[in-house]
Amino acid sequence: DTGVSQDPRHKITKRGQNVTFRCDPISEHNRLYWYRQTLGQGPEFLTYFQNEAQLEKSRLLSDRFSAERPKGSFSTLEIQRTEQGDSAMYLCASSLRDGQETQYFGPGTRLLVL
Amino acid sequence: AQRVTQPEKLLSVFKGAPVELKCNYSYSGSPELFWYVQYSRQRLQLLLRHISRESIKGFTADLNKGETSFHLKKPFAQEEDSAMYYCALKPLSGSARQLTFGSGTQLTVLP
Repeated sequence: DTGVSQDPRHKITKRGQNVTFRCDPISEHNRLYWYRQTLGQGPEFLTYFQNEAQLEKSRLLSDRFSAERPKGSFSTLEIQRTEQGDSAMYLCASSLRDGQETQYFGPGTRLLVL
Repeated sequence: AQRVTQPEKLLSVFKGAPVELKCNYSYSGSPELFWYVQYSRQRLQLLLRHISRESIKGFTADLNKGETSFHLKKPFAQEEDSAMYYCALKPLSGSARQLTFGSGTQLTVLP
């Protein structure tokens, strides 16, 4: 499968713990996006990278959230001191910087904070 | 700021009937509009984009700038069209590249 992959697919954690998610984009894609989706809502933008540079962050991304893409390939999203309100589906998407720039989505990581 | 509104959370139609999923947007600049679809147990995938002006799986959508709408239509619904549909917007120019999604419409096509 050459699509976007995410790991883990599911994560259950206790409030106050730190969690880290990984996203592997389609190999030649230089743009990578993180979105969050809560029940009954569409995905909401969190942040995006072009190569290794983090170019934009949403106001939704509190200081407990940090994202990296150290070598311009895979990316990690870390949530520190998780809260119950962080429970959501975390989606990763990647795109190629060209005329179409279609965003291809991964399967998501479902986080449940108890 | 941009906003996408999908007024119907649930929509049911019978097989063979026409279907229209509504999408309205607000954005001060020139937008690019998309429809994404998520079938059961599958990932979100692009269905169509207004710039391409093409029909995918029998679906079409026309950007109406006067009414700020981008409704998705299909003349004869099929059972395999049952899915969650999201309308999304992206600025056509400028540095912002992220998609702004609506809250989605769950379409059920009944036999």
